Amino acid sequence: QSALTQPASVSGSPGQSITISCTGTSSDVGGYNYVSWYQQHPGKAPKLMIFGVSNRPSGVSNRFSGSKSGNTASLTISGLQAEDEADYYCSSYPGSSTYVIFGGGTKLTVL
Amino acid sequence: EVQLVESGGGLVQPGGSLRLSCVVSGFTVASNYMSWVRQAPGKGLEWVSVIYIDGNTYYADSVKGRFTISRDNSKNTLYLQMNNLRAEDTAVYYCARDFSHRQFDYWGQGTLVTVSS
Repeated sequence: QSALTQPASVSGSPGQSITISCTGTSSDVGGYNYVSWYQQHPGKAPKLMIFGVSNRPSGVSNRFSGSKSGNTASLTISGLQAEDEADYYCSSYPGSSTYVIFGGGTKLTVL
Repeated sequence: EVQLVESGGGLVQPGGSLRLSCVVSGFTVASNYMSWVRQAPGKGLEWVSVIYIDGNTYYADSVKGRFTISRDNSKNTLYLQMNNLRAEDTAVYYCARDFSHRQFDYWGQGTLVTVSS
């Protein structure tokens, strides 16, 4: 049950687009479409931004999108805004298991 | 409006016990999969435990045999009984609704557990 691999940090300027990667294996990310992305501001609870690889919950801006290719999932944020500055975590559920694996988290800085 | 409110955290000595509670409003605990997720200070998220609608329970290897997840349907409350606590259990503990395959749409605000002598 190794953690998924995310870059420690990414940055971008307001209005730009950034992509955060999340790399696992064929047993988790690559094998099933149960990848989620969470946004966490300091001192706050995580917030679901993407589920099922590419689905947005009601109320989440369409500036956030998710995708997957092979064993790597990606979160793309377009039109960066100051309020997007936060930590982002991916997760993957290895089908037929009972646990979930999280990535180590990526700190997004909006310059 | 959906609300999850955790309580029960605090400072405990190694080897001690704590019981965390998560009072839920806005949906029925017994009709949902519910999980506990923790976050050590300055670290990432770690799934701890889940209770299924049928009452089956599952745990991360790191807490198996020491932690017990349960619920009280009459109180619409989720619990986490933590025994034989270790320093590495120090974390903010969140309860969360598991709406599909360990994907969490509602989270509580978290309660801090500190294990230290």
